[in-house]
Amino acid sequence: RKEVEQDPGPFNVPEGATVAFNCTYSNSASQSFFWYRQDCRKEPKLLMSVYSSGNEDGRFTAQLNRASQYISLLIRDSKLSDSATYLCVVTGRGISSGSARQLTFGSGTQLTVLP
Amino acid sequence: NAGVTQTPKFRVLKTGQSMTLLCAQDMNHEYMYWYRQDPGMGLRLIHYSVGEGTTAKGEVPDGYNVSRLKKQNFLLGLESAAPSQTSVYFCASSPWDSGYEQYFGPGTRLTVT
Repeated sequence: RKEVEQDPGPFNVPEGATVAFNCTYSNSASQSFFWYRQDCRKEPKLLMSVYSSGNEDGRFTAQLNRASQYISLLIRDSKLSDSATYLCVVTGRGISSGSARQLTFGSGTQLTVLP
Repeated sequence: NAGVTQTPKFRVLKTGQSMTLLCAQDMNHEYMYWYRQDPGMGLRLIHYSVGEGTTAKGEVPDGYNVSRLKKQNFLLGLESAAPSQTSVYFCASSPWDSGYEQYFGPGTRLTVT
């Protein structure tokens, strides 16, 4: 079983739609959770952190359910520029030295927003 | 600031050849990482470094070696390339007070034939 599982998609949605991505993780000891965004053939970039209380950043809302080991990302009013692959990321089992951390990445969910 | 840079951007190797990938960062970050990304799989950590002169193994270290002689540079070496090492390689760095937000370079696409 993968440590972080995501629906690979692709999700094809019209502009203005609301879309939700889900992610489950297997390591109950994971402490921190994130969504990264990766554009086609580019490097991943941090989109937002995920907190138990939920957090919102403009059109993006992230939720964490520790009991179910489940993370979600909601995008409202989708824009063409939201087309990308969204990576669910949790802190992994490996390094924990100072504040260096091993991040465990899901394989990503591909989103295409259509005009 | 250039952030994190990687050279080369693309490379094709024959089985058994060797090469070194260079990662450089100008953000004065303590921590640096090498990942590989394969289709259908998440990024996987190969090796990492928590400071100049120190390196350690990640999740998939076999077939790779690393060195960090200078704080700003992190080198990834393939001594004898194999087709299984065909992948996209990303370098990342993070500052001493936050290992969670990692800044990635643009990647190196390596094909081993």
